[in-house]
Amino acid sequence: AQSVTQPDIHITVSEGASLELRCNYSYGATPYLFWYVQSPGQGLQLLLKYFSGDTLVQGIKGFEAEFKRSQSSFNLRKPSVHWSDAAEYFCAVGFSGGYNKLIFGAGTRLAVHP
Amino acid sequence: KAGVTQTPRYLIKTRGQQVTLSCSPISGHRSVSWYQQTPGQGLQFLFEYFSETQRNKGNFPGRFSGRQFSNSRSEMNVSTLELGDSALYLCASSLKPTGELFFGEGSRLTVL
Repeated sequence: AQSVTQPDIHITVSEGASLELRCNYSYGATPYLFWYVQSPGQGLQLLLKYFSGDTLVQGIKGFEAEFKRSQSSFNLRKPSVHWSDAAEYFCAVGFSGGYNKLIFGAGTRLAVHP
Repeated sequence: KAGVTQTPRYLIKTRGQQVTLSCSPISGHRSVSWYQQTPGQGLQFLFEYFSETQRNKGNFPGRFSGRQFSNSRSEMNVSTLELGDSALYLCASSLKPTGELFFGEGSRLTVL
């Protein structure tokens, strides 16, 4: 069965520091990979997606992620964090034929210190 | 362009009651998916509808059901509510069957 692991439940960084959020997945073939962000009291917003091709994908708000097949990972990065990036981040896996059924990780809550 | 609209935003029910939640997708989106979010289980897929047909279903009991209307609006229903059904129910619409979802703000259900 497909699964997604986000090892870090909570991360705190200083404003201006770089950020990397980890995501590992379990799936037999190449999945569709996503990062979504959720601010308090809000729904989820798609940050970026990977289907195929270039393994480094760019998203909104200055985020990027790299797909590494050998490590079954899809880590999210940002070179300089802003206070407004404080939110919960979810990695998700979809698959061909699964339509819009996604398997989500447990999420990583990001706090940003001024 | 209006986003995904969910109503009601908050509701309180008692055990044994039933509840109906509504979702209006982004104009032109024919796919509507529902997810349950709880602190313990996280985000879990409930079901997806496309052109009034359920085309995917998660691992939830039959008390959870849904439907989609010809205008793509969707409703989900939970019958015989249990305390464990307390959750944020998120609706998402999409143009494509690939997981690129646009979420509403959710309906927060509390079961007492």
